[in-house]
Amino acid sequence: DQQVKQNSPSLSVQEGRISILNCDYTNSMFDYFLWYKKYPAEGPTFLISISSIKDKNEDGRFTVFLNKSAKHLSLHIVPSQPGDSAVYFCAARRNQAQKLVFGQGTRLTINP
Amino acid sequence: EPEVTQTPSHQVTQMGQEVILRCVPISNHLYFYWYRQILGQKVEFLVSFYNNEISEKSEIFDDQFSVERPDGSNFTLKIRSTKLEDSAMYFCASSEPGESSGANVLTFGAGSRLTVL
Repeated sequence: DQQVKQNSPSLSVQEGRISILNCDYTNSMFDYFLWYKKYPAEGPTFLISISSIKDKNEDGRFTVFLNKSAKHLSLHIVPSQPGDSAVYFCAARRNQAQKLVFGQGTRLTINP
Repeated sequence: EPEVTQTPSHQVTQMGQEVILRCVPISNHLYFYWYRQILGQKVEFLVSFYNNEISEKSEIFDDQFSVERPDGSNFTLKIRSTKLEDSAMYFCASSEPGESSGANVLTFGAGSRLTVL
């Protein structure tokens, strides 16, 4: 089941710079997209979401962009901080469904 | 901040044994979920539970699996006869009642690691 894909298993960014995490999906029925962050020995923590009727949603240092025609979304973190080092999961949901479909995750490392 | 709590944090069991994983969801949440993550793989949906019944389940959630909300606060996942491939981190999650087209933001617990030998 590869409906949600994060093709970069890892990403390393210098502190203060922008981190860009990418996610692609194949199911055009998805109408809500979420980003979760996960630290070791903890469960995923919700970061930010976007509805398919929007193309951008911003919350502080975090911005999610959605390109429906390309079936692509990205998470921008600026400026990146050492505490942002974690695994980031993209997830998607179909309208009227409860289940989230997750990508494989991208391990982000912020270097001081 | 309210949180989802899971017990045990780690359980080791022999193949064929029954396992019960326990979760206490956030008190005003009405939707409950189990997900799992096999080591090195993605987080996979198992089951969602609402109004005392299963609302959706994946093909992974076969007859060996069951869920229960026995007392209004706990939410349990039972695996009747564990297999080696059931070894994974099991995450419980809950979410608020909201419009079905809404964000459906899930709050996850820290997970229960199951090791089947």
